[in-house]
Order: sequence, then C-alpha cells, then structure tokens
Amino acid sequence: AQKITQTQPGMFVQEKEAVTLDCTYDTSDQSYGLFWYKQPSSGEMIFLIYQGSYDEQNATEGRYSLNFQKARKSANLVISASQLGDSAMYFCAMREQNAGNMLTFGGGTRLMVKP
Amino acid sequence: KAGVTQTPRYLIKTRGQQVTLSCSPISGHRSVSWYQQTPGQGLQFLFEYFSETQRNKGNFPGRFSGRQFSNSRSEMNVSTLELGDSALYLCASSSRTGTMSEQFFGPGTRLTVL
Repeated sequence: AQKITQTQPGMFVQEKEAVTLDCTYDTSDQSYGLFWYKQPSSGEMIFLIYQGSYDEQNATEGRYSLNFQKARKSANLVISASQLGDSAMYFCAMREQNAGNMLTFGGGTRLMVKP
Repeated sequence: KAGVTQTPRYLIKTRGQQVTLSCSPISGHRSVSWYQQTPGQGLQFLFEYFSETQRNKGNFPGRFSGRQFSNSRSEMNVSTLELGDSALYLCASSSRTGTMSEQFFGPGTRLTVL
C-alpha cells in the first residue's frame, strides 16, 4: 500500500481564495512526523509546515495550516489567501519513528493560482 | 546561515560513465540525506549519512553509493550510468535525527544521461 497518497494531481485556485491540498498516510508506527514541502519550477524543496503524531493542536505557519485528523490518517494542507507565487508542486511527506531521517513522499499536487 | 549547497547544478553524461555529486549541508548539521526525483517514480530516498556513517539506505542498486566526510559534506556516486538515472538529485541536511527533525533541501543537481 502507498504510504503517502495525494489524490489531486493538479488544482486551480483563484488568487486571494483559500485552497486545501489533500494528503492521506499509512503507518503502523505510533510516533511519526508529517511534512509539507513546496517545490517551485526551480526544483528546490521548501519546507512549509510540520505536524507530529502526538501534537494535539493543528500546526500553523503564517498562511499555511495543517488539518490533522489522526483517526482518518489525513494531513491536509490549507493555504489561505492564495498568491500568484504559490503556484508550484506541493508534496506531503512522512517520517516514521525508526526510519532515521528518511522521508517518504507522496506523488505531489500541482497548484496553479489564477489572477 | 548559508543554506544547503549542491554542485554541480547541471550535468550531462553518457551511458556507462560514472558521476559524483556533492552536497554541503548547513553549518552544524550532521545528517545528510539524498533523494532521486523522476517524473515516473517521484521522490525516492537513496541514503542517509550521519556523522560519517550510513544510517539508512533506500531500494537502489549497488551502482549508487555515497559517503560523508568529517566536515559533514557528502558525495554520492553513480557508476555505469543508465538512461533511467536521468533525474533531479536532491540533498537534504538536518541537525539531528528523529521524527521531529526538520530537513532543509538544496537546489538539486539535474543529471541528464544520454
């Protein structure tokens, strides 16, 4: 089974609107971390937000928030007030307890912000 | 603080050749991980080094190898290049290990095998 699933290959959002990017994960570990990265066309992976499996509050970083639903094994990224510069690939990733620093990535979602 | 640097940024090789890519982590970071990104397979973990020791290895053939030096700089080597090795190779550094440790990525090396 896929460990990280991103079901939206591509999405459009109107500038200044909010958008939710979906991510579901699969692990039997009790301790794990979930990450979201942004990859512009330049190729560099930019860290956006982190959620630990034991964190009770949803993580927030500026315009980014993570909607963490542990029982459903989902970790959706919410971007508020979309900007043209948000157009990029977005990747959800997981690090499991006994995997060192190894990240397992989903297939990504290409977000396109319309002016 | 300077970010993660990778050299070279672009590389063109022919089948059968070998290549060495370099990664300099953020100052003070002791963990370096390597990933391969292709359109078909997505982002896949290659290996991780921490304090000069390989801690973890992904499911890649033995043609892919790496090492880490005492200053935490890391190199990865691919021998006997195949067309399918064409990819963006990303390096990430971290100050520690564990589920909470944040990883910072470099700009990548884009390898084209002809």
